[in-house]
Amino acid sequence: DAGVIQSPRHEVTEMGQEVTLRCKPISGHNSLFWYRQTMMRGLELLIYFNNNVPIDDSGMPEDRFSAKMPNASFSTLKIQPSEPRDSAVYFCASSAAAGGNLNQPQHFGDGTRLSIL
Amino acid sequence: AQSVTQLDSHVSVSEGTPVLLRCNYSSSYSPSLFWYVQHPNKGLQLLLKYTSAATLVKGINGFEAEFKKSETSFHLTKPSAHMSDAAEYFCVLGSARQLTFGSGTQLTVLP
Repeated sequence: DAGVIQSPRHEVTEMGQEVTLRCKPISGHNSLFWYRQTMMRGLELLIYFNNNVPIDDSGMPEDRFSAKMPNASFSTLKIQPSEPRDSAVYFCASSAAAGGNLNQPQHFGDGTRLSIL
Repeated sequence: AQSVTQLDSHVSVSEGTPVLLRCNYSSSYSPSLFWYVQHPNKGLQLLLKYTSAATLVKGINGFEAEFKKSETSFHLTKPSAHMSDAAEYFCVLGSARQLTFGSGTQLTVLP
């Protein structure tokens, strides 16, 4: 059974460039989460979707960040324009939770390590 | 409001000795509590979960945790540490509309 799949695993780009991170959740899961992890701030929840609809985007740092979920099997997190302080590991996770509840376990991908020069 | 406190940022044990990673929580509702493990360059992996059934929860890789409502604790234990247990561990509290992560405990296992 395939887990959560993220791509790319590593991305290095220059500041000002657009960055798109991709995630394929586990089939049948109806909630999808995007996280950012850094040494300074730890693990931060950026946004989560339930049944492809954004439920809470209060963790999105600023307007340069946007996330979409066009269908149940795909989501993107986009940064435009990117800045060096966006360098972090970005994780996608999915869960099977009725009503988008946050009281169910999540399955994490292996993350995208993003470096903005 | 809810909160999670992992009482130790770093724990070191010798291989073959017991592991204790401490987690206290605060919640106005019946909580769902989780322990996750993160190995280097990997995502978080679920070790175990408590969702108001048995208070002693057994997880993968020999780990278990006991939910103690009177102490508002959910400590993670393992009788005998293995080198492969070296990783970061997160205690997580979930409710219907809020998810709270602890700050993590880095476990080092000495040979």
